[in-house]
Amino acid sequence: DAGVIQSPRHEVTEMGQEVTLRCKPISGHNSLFWYRQTMMRGLELLIYFNNNVPIDDSGMPEDRFSAKMPNASFSTLKIQPSEPRDSAVYFCASSPTTLGLAGGQFFGPGTRLTVL
Amino acid sequence: GNSVTQMEGPVTLSEEAFLTINCTYTATGYPSLFWYVQYPGEGLQLLLKATKADDKGSNKGFEATYRKETTSFHLEKGSVQVSDSAVYFCALIRTQGGSEKLVFGKGTKLTVNP
Repeated sequence: DAGVIQSPRHEVTEMGQEVTLRCKPISGHNSLFWYRQTMMRGLELLIYFNNNVPIDDSGMPEDRFSAKMPNASFSTLKIQPSEPRDSAVYFCASSPTTLGLAGGQFFGPGTRLTVL
Repeated sequence: GNSVTQMEGPVTLSEEAFLTINCTYTATGYPSLFWYVQYPGEGLQLLLKATKADDKGSNKGFEATYRKETTSFHLEKGSVQVSDSAVYFCALIRTQGGSEKLVFGKGTKLTVNP
């Protein structure tokens, strides 16, 4: 079985540019999570979806960040405009359902974003 | 809300040494507890879990026991290997408004030297 797939694996861009990160969750999983990881702040939950519907976006840092899940097999995290402080590793994770996280979440390999 | 606190690293050990990484939790009730591991350049992977008090989770020689008396879920391994070098995260479930999310500790970096 394929795990969570993220693309690109690495992204280098200049300040002010739009950045789009992509995620394909594990087939059959109904919940999808976006995290950001930095040395300073550790692992932060940005937003999560259940059945394609955003449930909690309280972790989204500001209006420059937006996330969508148009269908059960695809999600995007967009930053527009990007800033150097957005540099981080962004992880996508999925789980069979949000009521049932006792089974754990499955993480993708991450996208390392560098904003110059 | 539910939260976890884990010991700050980094932790450096020699091969075959005994490992303990402390994790304590604050929670309403008895939420499921987890240890995740992140190897260099990779995403987090579930290492082990315990879904109720007094349960012991185990995997790959690692163990952790859900202790409600001390609100702890310490990770242990009797003899570490170089390949265990990674960052370890303690986590629990926080339930809000009918849905759940995982809450992670800050992570503890382990380096095992040959």
